[in-house]
Amino acid sequence: GAVVSQHPSWVICKSGTSVKIECRSLDFQATTMFWYRQFPKQSLMLMATSNEGSKATYEQGVEKDKFLINHASLTLSTLTVTSAHPEDSSFYICSATTGVTEAFFGQGTRLTVV
Amino acid sequence: KQEVTQIPAALSVPEGENLVLNCSFTDSAIYNLQWFRQDPGKGLTSLLLIQSSQREQTSGRLNASLDKSSGRSTLYIAASQPGDSATYLCAADTGANSKLTFGKGITLSVRP
Repeated sequence: GAVVSQHPSWVICKSGTSVKIECRSLDFQATTMFWYRQFPKQSLMLMATSNEGSKATYEQGVEKDKFLINHASLTLSTLTVTSAHPEDSSFYICSATTGVTEAFFGQGTRLTVV
Repeated sequence: KQEVTQIPAALSVPEGENLVLNCSFTDSAIYNLQWFRQDPGKGLTSLLLIQSSQREQTSGRLNASLDKSSGRSTLYIAASQPGDSATYLCAADTGANSKLTFGKGITLSVRP
């Protein structure tokens, strides 16, 4: 149990386009989902916290208009990188929790903007 | 603000060696501490989670300990194998809400 599926696992896009990443909890209802990004040889940095049915809470320094997060159901959260630029190239990972358990992580998405 | 440090950044050992990976954190008021494994280009695999009331957790050849008062956790790997080669991350949950603060990780290489 406790499987979190993230899709796609990798994506290449042109600069200026938008990319959507999905995070699904397959066998539990996730009241809260987290989005992290990881640069090479760096730790995972929390970008935002999303609770089902409400607006996401963004960490300091993360542009909410650039990284759009939608948590429309208890099993799905999406992260859309709008007007992507090469500096947005990174590894994005989501995690999901029921609120009373530990968070479970997706497989991650490697985004490359060319 | 919680800060998590893992030193050294990389470690290379011969197969069969027992080893200890260190993790330190600045805010001792943690809810739990978790160790993860990350293979290159992959997501995270949870290895062990230690609740704040616990001192250690064990799973197979892995043993993780927690000393909240000193702000330290260690991951002990017994009889290391080449398949253990990966990056090991520790993360602290300070707010009891599963929002984790991660260290940069220790990249382990086990030589055959």
